[in-house]
This record gives sequence, C-alpha cells and structure tokens, in this order.
Amino acid sequence: DSGVTQTPKHLITATGQRVTLRCSPRSGDLSVYWYQQSLDQGLQFLIQYYNGEERAKGNILERFSAQQFPDLHSELNLSSLELGDSALYFCASSASGDRVGGNTIYFGEGSWLTVV
Amino acid sequence: AQSVAQPEDQVNVAEGNPLTVKCTYSVSGNPYLFWYVQYPNRGLQFLLKYITGDNLVKGSYGFEAEFNKSQTSFHLKKPSALVSDSALYFCAVRDSHGNNRLAFGKGNQVVVIP
Repeated sequence: DSGVTQTPKHLITATGQRVTLRCSPRSGDLSVYWYQQSLDQGLQFLIQYYNGEERAKGNILERFSAQQFPDLHSELNLSSLELGDSALYFCASSASGDRVGGNTIYFGEGSWLTVV
Repeated sequence: AQSVAQPEDQVNVAEGNPLTVKCTYSVSGNPYLFWYVQYPNRGLQFLLKYITGDNLVKGSYGFEAEFNKSQTSFHLKKPSALVSDSALYFCAVRDSHGNNRLAFGKGNQVVVIP
C-alpha cells in the first residue's frame, strides 16, 4: 500500500458527461501529480500541484482541470468526455516538488474511467 | 527533453533464471532514474531509484539495477526470477535541471515461465 488513495476505482459514464476523480496523497506529502495511462499513449504526465499551487503542466487537455485543496487532497475534473478519454488515471504524491532532488513519487491504485 | 527507452516489448524468462529488463535514458543534466512495477489491475509500485553514488542500486523484492553513465543505461536485474515477478515494468527518468516530472518508458511485459 503506497498510502495514496484514489476514488472512485471504477467509473463508467457517457460521452459528453463530466466526472471528478479524487486523490488523497500520502500523509505529509505536499506534491500531487496526475498521470493518464492508455494503451496507445502509455503513461502521460498531466499536471502537478505543490502545496495548493500548480507547479507543472504536461499533456493535459483544456477539457481537463485539476486543483489541490488546503488539506492537500486533489481533484481531477474531466468534462465533455469523449470515447478516447477512457483510460486509467493515476494520482501520485511526493514529499516535495523541489526542482532538484530525488524524491520518490508514490502512486495510487488508479481510477479506471470508461466512456461509452 | 528527458526520455527513456525500453527497447523490448516482452521479456520471457524461465523461473529460476536471471531476469534483465533494459532501459536507456536521455537527459540534459544528471539523471534521477526509477523503476516501477505494475501488477494486473494494480497501481504502479516503486522498486528502486538511482540518484547518485554507487552504480549498483538494490531495491524491493530482490531487484537491483545498474547505472552505466557511458552507455546511458539503467537495466533492472534479478538473479533468480519467480513466477510472481510476471508484471509490467516501467523505467522512468527525471532530470536535475528543474523539470521534476517523471518521463516513463513504454513498459516491458515480463513473463516468467514455470
């Protein structure tokens, strides 16, 4: 158990809908990351937050947004869903978001999203 | 940009034989290298990392990895594979020049044959 908790584990929704994925980082971790895993794209970095502020942005679509709350949990909002958004979405956390350092990033079990 | 390459799609090995999963990297500065394993329908589990120091890094479940700067490689190894080691293995890199995200390879499916 990595200590990173994600909900829901599975989600099936229709095209055009909006969903919210929730993540609780490991106790004491300030940095939260979101990754998307799909068969054709592999593991893609979406976005990172550090202590409530956006720190880095990757291949995140404009239809997607995220935030980190004062209690450090994070939410990933996916809207106007398309079939191609079906994927496994991982949340991960690390102790800091320092630019220099070898902090280990620990991953949650993921949220399986199926868009039908 | 930082990147890693895992040249093989699948690695088949007999139980009890040595297991090697290959990874090469490309970064602009000093590399921070990681290996993760993903079991079916599970999340990514951290195995080990190289930051600095000894080129041979020991990790979880009997795995180790060897950092080779001249060959820009970070191969994962296990002296004696178990059937339970069958999983998807990912190499990842983070560089030291301000980019703190991990870039992952495509992953290697390891199949340990009883």
